[in-house]
Amino acid sequence: EPEVTQTPSHQVTQMGQEVILRCVPISNHLYFYWYRQILGQKVEFLVSFYNNEISEKSEIFDDQFSVERPDGSNFTLKIRSTKLEDSAMYFCASSEAGLREQYFGPGTRLTVT
Amino acid sequence: DAKTTQPNSMESNEEEPVHLPCNHSTISGTDYIHWYRQLPSQGPEYVIHGLTSNVNNRMASLAIAEDRKSSTLILHRATLRDAAVYYCILNTGNQFYFGTGTSLTVIP
Repeated sequence: EPEVTQTPSHQVTQMGQEVILRCVPISNHLYFYWYRQILGQKVEFLVSFYNNEISEKSEIFDDQFSVERPDGSNFTLKIRSTKLEDSAMYFCASSEAGLREQYFGPGTRLTVT
Repeated sequence: DAKTTQPNSMESNEEEPVHLPCNHSTISGTDYIHWYRQLPSQGPEYVIHGLTSNVNNRMASLAIAEDRKSSTLILHRATLRDAAVYYCILNTGNQFYFGTGTSLTVIP
């Protein structure tokens, strides 16, 4: 069964450093998403991406965040200058179409020290 | 973001049905009702979704009130593997806003 994959599973970085989280969505899916979940808290929507552009973003997704689909398979989330409060689990998801079910990856745990 | 209200936690005995309620009194006509669950240390997993009519799939059933202001996720026979946090989400457009969900404990 096709699945969303994410790499790395765990990333440790120092405050102020740039990180890139990678995702490979399910191959025939057209919509892509990033979410984050701070330990013990709810899942928070960050951004959705369709047709090579951001379709919606939350207040959390400020100028230090960016997303890109650099090729036909990868979907990346870049955090330019990490802060301690960026420590969280980051989930990528994809769906065939809008308003359809989303398939989530296993997540990348980001630890900012 | 559209709001949903769910109980913080529920318990069920194994192999018994579970009814997980969700209130969404501010739902708009174009909002779909989605249910996801999150097992410990995993990403959210799709369970079921609907717009107006009740829906059934291999995992669960979704009962939607006639006025659409509430819905109920029904697990027909709870197993230990169903222990998870269940999220009821209203979806318009390309974003999901998760609430705090209902933590379901299944008692052997």
